[in-house]
Amino acid sequence: QVHLVQSGAEVRKPGASVKVSCNVSGYSVTEVSVHWVRQAPGKGLEWMGGFDPEDGEAIYAQRFQGRVTVTEDTSTNTAYLDLTSLTSEDTAVYYCATGLRNFDYWGQGTLVSVSS
Amino acid sequence: QSVLTQPPSTSGTPGQRVTISCSGSSSNVGGDTVTWFQHLPGTAPKLLIYISDHRASGVPDRFSGSRSGSSASLAISGLRSEDEADYYCAAWDDRLNAWVFGGGTKLTVL
Repeated sequence: QVHLVQSGAEVRKPGASVKVSCNVSGYSVTEVSVHWVRQAPGKGLEWMGGFDPEDGEAIYAQRFQGRVTVTEDTSTNTAYLDLTSLTSEDTAVYYCATGLRNFDYWGQGTLVSVSS
Repeated sequence: QSVLTQPPSTSGTPGQRVTISCSGSSSNVGGDTVTWFQHLPGTAPKLLIYISDHRASGVPDRFSGSRSGSSASLAISGLRSEDEADYYCAAWDDRLNAWVFGGGTKLTVL
């Protein structure tokens, strides 16, 4: 059984940073890509980035370059999304997803609220 | 402005067949990595179709995907009330080196 369990909701002030975790069971994070997708209120799904185990490189959507970092801890089989310089437009539900077809399995989502 | 273009909404009656289009370019949809998701409010998205026309495990055969050139479609036959959801297409973009999504299509079952 594959399960992705994400960390709980976060509240941040503008300018702050947030780190969301995604614990994976059923796959090793070294054998599949873990992707991060978000949905802002009233908006569609948006891919932010992911970690490609084939070459050990992280890849990011251009609009988040410089603000987002994805990492993995192989000892705990956990993926992380780090987002800096938060604005109100970063208020969204953040999902991790993985699988042999990239998006087979999803975490439950983490609400990040950015407000002064 | 999404890289992939979907109609914002569509509707159908129970039992009917509906299709949702997804238009892109040779660098994304044309690369045959089209993926379709079903998204119900408050839940995680669900993978329906991958590599344009492969059904994900457990997805009913009422759902089918197709692609021609830089356009793809998701067809849902025998429409049911539980199919009412948002549907998204996505594809790997070779030029952007990124996954790109459509803006989503809201399906209403009348």
